[in-house]
Amino acid sequence: EDQVTQSPEALRLQEGESSSLNCSYTVSGLRGLFWYRQDPGKGPEFLFTLYSAGEEKEKERLKATLTKKESFLHITAPKPEDSATYLCAVRPPFSGGYNKLIFGAGTRLAVHP
Amino acid sequence: EAQVTQNPRYLITVTGKKLTVTCSQNMNHEYMSWYRQDPGLGLRQIYYSMNVEVTDKGDVPEGYKVSRKEKRNFPLILESPSPNQTSLYFCASSLPDRNTEAFFGQGTRLTVV
Repeated sequence: EDQVTQSPEALRLQEGESSSLNCSYTVSGLRGLFWYRQDPGKGPEFLFTLYSAGEEKEKERLKATLTKKESFLHITAPKPEDSATYLCAVRPPFSGGYNKLIFGAGTRLAVHP
Repeated sequence: EAQVTQNPRYLITVTGKKLTVTCSQNMNHEYMSWYRQDPGLGLRQIYYSMNVEVTDKGDVPEGYKVSRKEKRNFPLILESPSPNQTSLYFCASSLPDRNTEAFFGQGTRLTVV
């Protein structure tokens, strides 16, 4: 069964304290791994898409990397405004139409001043 | 501004009283989906539509109906809501290109008492 597992469930950081969030998946024939940010009371907001092992993408203090079995979202010198829930999702082949996404449960990040 | 609009944002209803949650997108996207988000479970796909008059079940379709009579609209219908349908619902849309991300609405928080 296709599965996406995110860890940790929650993470508390001090401002400036770098860390990484993990997303592991069991989907074979991956057609894309997506990272989203979700603020309380809002819908998920797209951050990155990764397609192949070794690929990396960066946006401000965030950097996403991908291996054959997992992805990491590295947060460098975080600020309080980076506090949010970060969602990982994978697009499996041949199911739910081309736009199906299988989500992990998310990592709640809190960055304190 | 490109967006996916859901209404209502909040809804409290009683068991068995039919309701409809509307979803509209202004990006001319072919694909639209409904997800529900529950604590610890992440987002799960309820139904999806690949184009007008083309819909299919996702992973958790029981108790829900959808229709796609116009490209921009994709309403979610609960014919006889039950308390286990209390959840946070998101509508999403995307282009048919498998490599594109999904855009999400702001969410509808539904409580069935």
